[in-house]
Amino acid sequence: SQKIEQNSEALNIQEGKTATLTCNYTNYSPAYLQWYRQDPGRGPVFLLLIRENEKEKRKERLKVTFDTTLKQSLFHITASQPADSATYLCALDKDSGYSTLTFGKGTMLLVSP
Amino acid sequence: KAGVTQTPRYLIKTRGQQVTLSCSPISGHRSVSWYQQTPGQGLQFLFEYFSETQRNKGNFPGRFSGRQFSNSRSEMNVSTLELGDSALYLCASSFEGSSGELFFGEGSRLTVL
Repeated sequence: SQKIEQNSEALNIQEGKTATLTCNYTNYSPAYLQWYRQDPGRGPVFLLLIRENEKEKRKERLKVTFDTTLKQSLFHITASQPADSATYLCALDKDSGYSTLTFGKGTMLLVSP
Repeated sequence: KAGVTQTPRYLIKTRGQQVTLSCSPISGHRSVSWYQQTPGQGLQFLFEYFSETQRNKGNFPGRFSGRQFSNSRSEMNVSTLELGDSALYLCASSFEGSSGELFFGEGSRLTVL
């Protein structure tokens, strides 16, 4: 079955630096991969989607890469701010073909001033 | 456009009781998915409904059930509650034909005593 791995340890960085989060997956070739942000006690919020035929996607300070050979996605936040502190979840489409996702457990990002 | 609305936001039950959670999707969205989120397991898929039909089901016992109404609103029910059912239950809606990005509600926090 699908398996997604995200670094379980929190990532601590200083304001202004680039944060890089990793998502690895096995036993599947997803059609697309998504990244979500989740704040404590809140529902996840969609950030970016990247398809299997895309290598990179950008949105403002966010950048996602997708390497289907390595089965890995990298999520970058440039010029990070304390407001970027949250848990970031990686998700890929389930092999059912419907609008359902398999989520990683997320990586907590802490940006200090 | 109103977001996904979940009720109740918080509830406390005792073992053996049953609970019903409600979800109103974004207007025009016909797909509704339910997820359970716990600190240990992360986000786990429960089931997905589209046009009142369950299209996909996760690996949960039969105590977990759901349904969708003609107006796309959805409910999920958990019977014979166990301590391990304590979790944040998240509902998400999506627009069929999209690439699957999900719009989550704020969740229903269930505590089983």
